[in-house]
Amino acid sequence: KAGVTQTPRYLIKTRGQQVTLSCSPISGHRSVSWYQQTPGQGLQFLFEYFSETQRNKGNFPGRFSGRQFSNSRSEMNVSTLELGDSALYLCASSKRPTGQGSKDEQYFGPGTRLTVT
Amino acid sequence: GNSVTQMEGPVTLSEEAFLTINCTYTATGYPSLFWYVQYPGEGLQLLLKATKADDKGSNKGFEATYRKETTSFHLEKGSVQVSDSAVYFCALGPNTNAGKSTFGDGTTLTVKP
Repeated sequence: KAGVTQTPRYLIKTRGQQVTLSCSPISGHRSVSWYQQTPGQGLQFLFEYFSETQRNKGNFPGRFSGRQFSNSRSEMNVSTLELGDSALYLCASSKRPTGQGSKDEQYFGPGTRLTVT
Repeated sequence: GNSVTQMEGPVTLSEEAFLTINCTYTATGYPSLFWYVQYPGEGLQLLLKATKADDKGSNKGFEATYRKETTSFHLEKGSVQVSDSAVYFCALGPNTNAGKSTFGDGTTLTVKP
């Protein structure tokens, strides 16, 4: 079974631009979560989608947004890029929505390395 | 709130040495516990998990036991290899904190031949 795929793997953008990252979950997985990983802040939760609905959101500004399609693929968008947005963006999928009662593990993709100059 | 405290790194060991990476957590309820590994330039891979107290997760020679009384989930391996060099993350599962996993800061392991 194919794993979580993320595209593109690497991206270089300029301050002020916007970017869209894509994530395809494992077949049959309907929950997709996004995380930002930086050396200073570690892994931080961005948001989670299930059945095309955002279920949870982390403490990030409104410049960070996402969506999920009917085939469970998800996109994340960052507008008006800042230097501090440079990070590895990880997508994770699980079978069921996360939350009380679900002990499903999350499977992570390889990440998209975003560099903002 | 939920939190995970991991042993600070970096950790440098010789091949075939015994490995322990300490992990303790604070959480409400009964979280699932995970260890993930991240190799250079890659995403996180699930290494092992435990879903209830006294469960032992194991994979590729790594083991960790869910100790509710000490709120710990220490990672161990009896004999490390150079290929085990990576960053290891302890995590509380998403079932306890409104949909997000809570990760430790990661421990970098370097194994020398």
